[in-house]
Amino acid sequence: GENVEQHPSTLSVQEGDSAVIKCTYSDSASNYFPWYKQELGKGPQLIIDIRSNVGEKKDQRIAVTLNKTAKHFSLHITETQPEDSAVYFCAASIGFEKLTFGTGTRLTIIP
Amino acid sequence: DGGITQSPKYLFRKEGQNVTLSCEQNLNHDAMYWYRQDPGQGLRLIYYSQIVNDFQKGDIAEGYSVSREKKESFPLTVTSAQKNPTAFYLCASSPGYSVLLGAFFGQGTRLTVV
Repeated sequence: GENVEQHPSTLSVQEGDSAVIKCTYSDSASNYFPWYKQELGKGPQLIIDIRSNVGEKKDQRIAVTLNKTAKHFSLHITETQPEDSAVYFCAASIGFEKLTFGTGTRLTIIP
Repeated sequence: DGGITQSPKYLFRKEGQNVTLSCEQNLNHDAMYWYRQDPGQGLRLIYYSQIVNDFQKGDIAEGYSVSREKKESFPLTVTSAQKNPTAFYLCASSPGYSVLLGAFFGQGTRLTVV
């Protein structure tokens, strides 16, 4: 089955700086790559996603890039703010039926 | 308010006992999922269901059972056969039969075996 690796496991950045989280997937048939944000005591929430026919997608301060050849995708957060502190999960899906998640990145924004 | 309700928030179980975790959604979503979350391991899929009276095993189904008798409800039973049941359990649902429009998660149930 699909396997998704995520790095780093923890990341601390100064407020206002950028943060980048990277994931690699194993199955070249994967065609959908969402990112979820989990705040303390809550379930994960979808923040951005990308399909395999697109190389990059932006939504205000967050962006996702996909390199199908290398089988990796990344989350970029610019101008980080304290409310960006959370655990972020990448995921991959083959045929949109179910999601395989990465192991998560705990992002801490330092004021 | 539309959403997914998981209950209870905290659950304690004695070894050797079965326990059922509740998940109800009023979003009219077709698909529902159960994930287990352990530190450093992310979310792992236990079972999922795309329609009533049908469900499929995920990656770690051993020691768990589910039912889907109603569209709104997808309870998970953790049986005594589950070797290491202490974990945080998350239920999710998605519209249609796919995750393309996003999976909506509940707030989770933390199960502790004592």
